[in-house]
Amino acid sequence: SAVISQKPSRDICQRGTSLTIQCQVDSQVTMMFWYRQQPGQSLTLIATANQGSEATYESGFVIDKFPISRPNLTFSTLTVSNMSPEDSSIYLCSVGMTGSFTEAFFGQGTRLTVV
Amino acid sequence: SQQGEEDPQALSIQEGENATMNCSYKTSINNLQWYRQNSGRGLVHLILIRSNEREKHSGRLRVTLDTSKKSSSLLITASRAADTASYFCAWGTSYGKLTFGQGTILTVHP
Repeated sequence: SAVISQKPSRDICQRGTSLTIQCQVDSQVTMMFWYRQQPGQSLTLIATANQGSEATYESGFVIDKFPISRPNLTFSTLTVSNMSPEDSSIYLCSVGMTGSFTEAFFGQGTRLTVV
Repeated sequence: SQQGEEDPQALSIQEGENATMNCSYKTSINNLQWYRQNSGRGLVHLILIRSNEREKHSGRLRVTLDTSKKSSSLLITASRAADTASYFCAWGTSYGKLTFGQGTILTVHP
């Protein structure tokens, strides 16, 4: 299993600013993922954070808006850039363990409100 | 949309009753998982069923998987007020990358 610490747990930000969310895992993991959950909606994968290389983004998400860092096997950051009210969501970090039949572990999420 | 569907979108029952939620997906999978989310926070993993399994139990939870119909169901027996939450199915590839269903909001009344 893995324990994930995500910071901050919530924030209220002004439009046009940026927020960086941190995800720390208590063990080395191969895969780290970032999801967005818009109000009343399900989770949508933003990107896979790759250690030592650029993140892999899903359709509809771009690096300029959601830059991601993955400096080592236990840490990743997601930045939400030039925020607008439409970015108000819960952002969740997730990790996957090696192997084909494994659960994913989630942080507690960051609840972002943009005003 | 690559996301599947869950039904019902919302379910309201009395304590002690059973709750059944259904999930349909669109792609080939190697596993399907169910998660619970309380108050819009982090997800709690409930159960994982592999593509070569048809049924799995964990406590009061029973999950079925029909790969020919690309569907799964989650049954919670003898529900409790503490089961009130949102429930999501998700199907995965290797290493934990998941696609989520739309979710079911379950309310259990004392």
